[in-house]
Amino acid sequence: DAGVIQSPRHEVTEMGQEVTLRCKPISGHDYLFWYRQTMMRGLELLIYFNNNVPIDDSGMPEDRFSAKMPNASFSTLKIQPSEPRDSAVYFCASSFLGGNTYEQYFGPGTRLTVT
Amino acid sequence: GDSVTQMEGPVTLSEEAFLTINCTYTATGYPSLFWYVQYPGEGLQLLLKATKADDKGSNKGFEATYRKETTSFHLEKGSVQVSDSAVYFCACGGSNYKLTFGKGTLLTVNP
Repeated sequence: DAGVIQSPRHEVTEMGQEVTLRCKPISGHDYLFWYRQTMMRGLELLIYFNNNVPIDDSGMPEDRFSAKMPNASFSTLKIQPSEPRDSAVYFCASSFLGGNTYEQYFGPGTRLTVT
Repeated sequence: GDSVTQMEGPVTLSEEAFLTINCTYTATGYPSLFWYVQYPGEGLQLLLKATKADDKGSNKGFEATYRKETTSFHLEKGSVQVSDSAVYFCACGGSNYKLTFGKGTLLTVNP
């Protein structure tokens, strides 16, 4: 199994630009999570999906952030417009409810730098 | 909601020293408990887990026991190696299928 795949691994963009982060979960997993990690705030859950449907987006910082999951094998996290304070590492994780232990499998992350 | 409190560190040890990283949790019901490890530049990896009281999770020489009476899940290793240097996260998973993570503990092991 290839694990959770994220792209790009690194993104550098200028303030005001649109940024799209991509995630492919592990095949057969029915939950997908987006996290943000910074030194100041640690690991924050932004949003999660079950069977492609958003369940809880209370962690999304503001309207500039949006996430979609058009099918079971693909999700995007979009920031428009981006700001320097959005600089962070963004992780995608997936899990399978059938295992009943809620363990999540993380991707390698996308390091976003907004200048 | 659920919460996890762990030693913030940083923790610095010499090779072959004994490691303990404390973790306590607050959750309703009977959550599953996890330790994740993050090596520099990588995502979080599941290190070990326990799903019910008195269960002991173990992997790569690390152990943690689910103690419901003290709501704790302390991570231990008898002899650390330089390669164990990483950030360690304690987490609990409840009925809403989310994981609640602690803030992470940076471990540095010197040769």
